[in-house]
Amino acid sequence: DAGVTQSPTHLIKTRGQHVTLRCSPISGHKSVSWYQQVLGQGPQFIFQYYEKEERGRGNFPDRFSARQFPNYSSELNVNALLLGDSALYLCASSFSSQELAKNIQYFGAGTRLSVL
Amino acid sequence: AQSVTQLGSHVSVSEGALVLLRCNYSSSVPPYLFWYVQYPNQGLQLLLKYTTGATLVKGINGFEAEFKKSETSFHLTKPSAHMSDAAEYFCAVSGYSTLTFGKGTMLLVSP
Repeated sequence: DAGVTQSPTHLIKTRGQHVTLRCSPISGHKSVSWYQQVLGQGPQFIFQYYEKEERGRGNFPDRFSARQFPNYSSELNVNALLLGDSALYLCASSFSSQELAKNIQYFGAGTRLSVL
Repeated sequence: AQSVTQLGSHVSVSEGALVLLRCNYSSSVPPYLFWYVQYPNQGLQLLLKYTTGATLVKGINGFEAEFKKSETSFHLTKPSAHMSDAAEYFCAVSGYSTLTFGKGTMLLVSP
């Protein structure tokens, strides 16, 4: 079975541009979470969705938004990119609300975003 | 509120030696605790988790961790290091909110 898949794997943008990152959860998983991992740091929580509804939001500005589609895939959008948005963006999925409650999550390989 | 402290940003061991990576947590509710491993240019792989029950948790690749409530610790150990264990390791805690990660410990294994 395929794991969590993210696209693209790498992306280069310039300041002020907009970016869309995509995530497909493991088949059968209904929850998707997004994390930002800056070089040398642990991942930081951005958003969590379950059954297409937002279940949580981290301490990120409104330039960051996300949504989950009927097939449970998800997009993370970032507007007005800043140099500080350069990071590895990780997507994670969970199967059920029970797994989600315990935060048992399975991570993709990430999208590395470079903002110049 | 919850937080994780990983003691030591880098740990160096020789192949065959004991691996000990330290993690202390803070949580206002009974915690769920996790260790993840990240190889270069890859995502996070779940090594092991503690949710409830037995406090000594066994994971993949010969790793284990023990939940000690009195010490608010969840240290990761492996009896004998392999070269393939060289990677970055993250401890994470979850209460009623999402995962909070530590800053990570890079494990270096020398022959």
